[in-house]
Amino acid sequence: GAGVSQSPSNKVTEKGKDVELRCDPISGHTALYWYRQRLGQGLEFLIYFQGNSAPDKSGLPSDRFSAERTGESVSTLTIQRTQQEDSAVYLCASSPGLAGVYEQFFGPGTRLTVL
Amino acid sequence: AQSVTQLGSHVSVSEGALVLLRCNYSSSVPPYLFWYVQYPNQGLQLLLKYTSAATLVKGINGFEAEFKKSETSFHLTKPSAHMSDAAEYFCAVRTFQGAQKLVFGQGTRLTINP
Repeated sequence: GAGVSQSPSNKVTEKGKDVELRCDPISGHTALYWYRQRLGQGLEFLIYFQGNSAPDKSGLPSDRFSAERTGESVSTLTIQRTQQEDSAVYLCASSPGLAGVYEQFFGPGTRLTVL
Repeated sequence: AQSVTQLGSHVSVSEGALVLLRCNYSSSVPPYLFWYVQYPNQGLQLLLKYTSAATLVKGINGFEAEFKKSETSFHLTKPSAHMSDAAEYFCAVRTFQGAQKLVFGQGTRLTINP
């Protein structure tokens, strides 16, 4: 079956512009996560969705970052007024939310470059 | 709060040699632990996971890891390295509270020398 997909794969933007990153999870996966990976570093948790609600937004670095999810489907991460420090790979992951299935399935990521 | 430390940001081994990537965790509760691999310009792929069953876990591509509670370690090994193993490897612990998110180590870049 299809895995997690993300678009665009690459995004170059100018400082101060807004960007939208999209994630399509595996069909039927109720849990969805966004992570950020800065160059040479591990992944930082940003936000978690269960269905279309976001019970944990604790990783969002500032109020310029927001995310939404439509039902148990597509999620969009929006970064307003981008800054150079926002440059990173943004990874989305989904999980079935079933007992006994603990791993997360990752998409290929969106590489964001802020000039 | 759970955390993970990966010792060695870069590891280089010869083709055919033993691969050993180190991971130590901190957790106040029995942890669920994962190793993921990331090939260039790709997302993360699950190698193996420990979820409180057998302490020696076998994964894909000949990798395995042993959970050692006394040492709070979950080191990844492979007896004989292949060129195709060159990648970045991440150890992660799953939190039990709230989001049950993954907390990742900083990653180890594995280079294989011919």
